[in-house]
Amino acid sequence: QSVLTQPPSASGTPGQSVTISCSGSRSNIGSNTVYWYQQFPGKTPKLLIHTTNQRLSGVPDRFSGSKSGTSASLAISGLQSEDEADYYCAAWDDSLNGHVVFGGGTTLTVL
Amino acid sequence: QVQLEESGPGLVKPSETLSLTCNVSGGFINRGGFYWGWIRQSPGKGLEWIGSIYHTGSTHFNPALKTRVSMSVDTASNQFSLTLTSVAAADTAVYFCARHHVVVTAPRFEFWGQGILVTVSS
Repeated sequence: QSVLTQPPSASGTPGQSVTISCSGSRSNIGSNTVYWYQQFPGKTPKLLIHTTNQRLSGVPDRFSGSKSGTSASLAISGLQSEDEADYYCAAWDDSLNGHVVFGGGTTLTVL
Repeated sequence: QVQLEESGPGLVKPSETLSLTCNVSGGFINRGGFYWGWIRQSPGKGLEWIGSIYHTGSTHFNPALKTRVSMSVDTASNQFSLTLTSVAAADTAVYFCARHHVVVTAPRFEFWGQGILVTVSS
């Protein structure tokens, strides 16, 4: 059971927009910045979004991050087939002397 | 460009100790500026942070693993290591080392090793 809650799956057709949610609490998302990772099967996770809404250099502007209260979202516009991957959110949690927490991951399928 | 590479045994017996090393190239651990972390991923599951260490030896661990985890840094070899004691089948996972951010409260892992599969089995 992950501390951050993500839907197990999401889908969309090419060109559509899709949003992946990440729900936390006051001790993590509510107090700290959020990070988003993309992982293809058998590959290493890749950082997409840092500090809640900042794209890493080279990440297409189709990807955007946001946060409201204790929830965060990763939005992908103009969906492309190569976006099909697993997506994970992460944040620092201030409880128990502080630690990194990840969401359970969302598998995005491009139909 | 920083590169990381994990090494260690791929098979560990239950109740024994798992030891992994991460070799860093393209940057010096002792220059500071970054924590260095371990993250694992059980087969078909999500990511789990194990802990992170600074070149001074300062560490932060996952509370769920804290009693079994230790980490160390070897600045002379530009490596850092993970030790996990009393392993069980649930510790079977791909173990990644990664460069963490200088601010440990920012889970910004920009550079990752390719990962090493460790299986716990007799």
